[in-house]
Amino acid sequence: EAGVAQSPRYKIIEKRQSVAFWCNPISGHATLYWYQQILGQGPKLLIQFQNNGVVDDSQLPKDRFSAERLKGVDSTLKIQPAKLEDSAVYLCASSALTGTGQDYGYTFGSGTRLTVV
Amino acid sequence: KNQVEQSPQSLIILEGKNCTLQCNYTVSPFSNLRWYKQDTGRGPVSLTIMTFSENTKSNGRYTATLDADTKQSSLHITASQLSDSASYICVVSPNSGNTPLVFGKGTRLSVIA
Repeated sequence: EAGVAQSPRYKIIEKRQSVAFWCNPISGHATLYWYQQILGQGPKLLIQFQNNGVVDDSQLPKDRFSAERLKGVDSTLKIQPAKLEDSAVYLCASSALTGTGQDYGYTFGSGTRLTVV
Repeated sequence: KNQVEQSPQSLIILEGKNCTLQCNYTVSPFSNLRWYKQDTGRGPVSLTIMTFSENTKSNGRYTATLDADTKQSSLHITASQLSDSASYICVVSPNSGNTPLVFGKGTRLSVIA
């Protein structure tokens, strides 16, 4: 079974520039998550999609971050303009929900390491 | 507030030795608890997942325990190898469905020859 695909693996940009990350979840997984992981910390949820609808974006800095999941499959996360404190690893994960509501097959991608200089 | 606390923050052990990592949580209601291994520069990979009724679960040299009464979990690594060097993250699911997972900050394990 193919895993969660993310690209690019690494990105270096100057502050105030824009950047976009792409994620392709596991086939059939309805739920997709974007996390931000700052060095030495656990992942922080930015946004959660169920199919192409947003379930939770309470921790997404909406003044500079945006995400979309067109057609309920692939997703992109954009930062515009970037700040130094945005330097982190951006992880995408996907899962399926069983009939009892239990998330199943929760799988992370390898992440995109963003460095803002 | 739902929280997951892990200890120690970092650990260095000799190759071949055993070690135990701790996880305490205050998440309620509780659905399941997961341990992930995260190599540097990679995404987390699931090691074990335990529900409320499970006390122990093994995955090769990794054995996780869960005490739902005291809200504690441990991950025991037997006969450590250099490739075990990674961060180990404890993650608790507050509920089934769409409730966000609660992540610990991880324990950084270094196995040295």
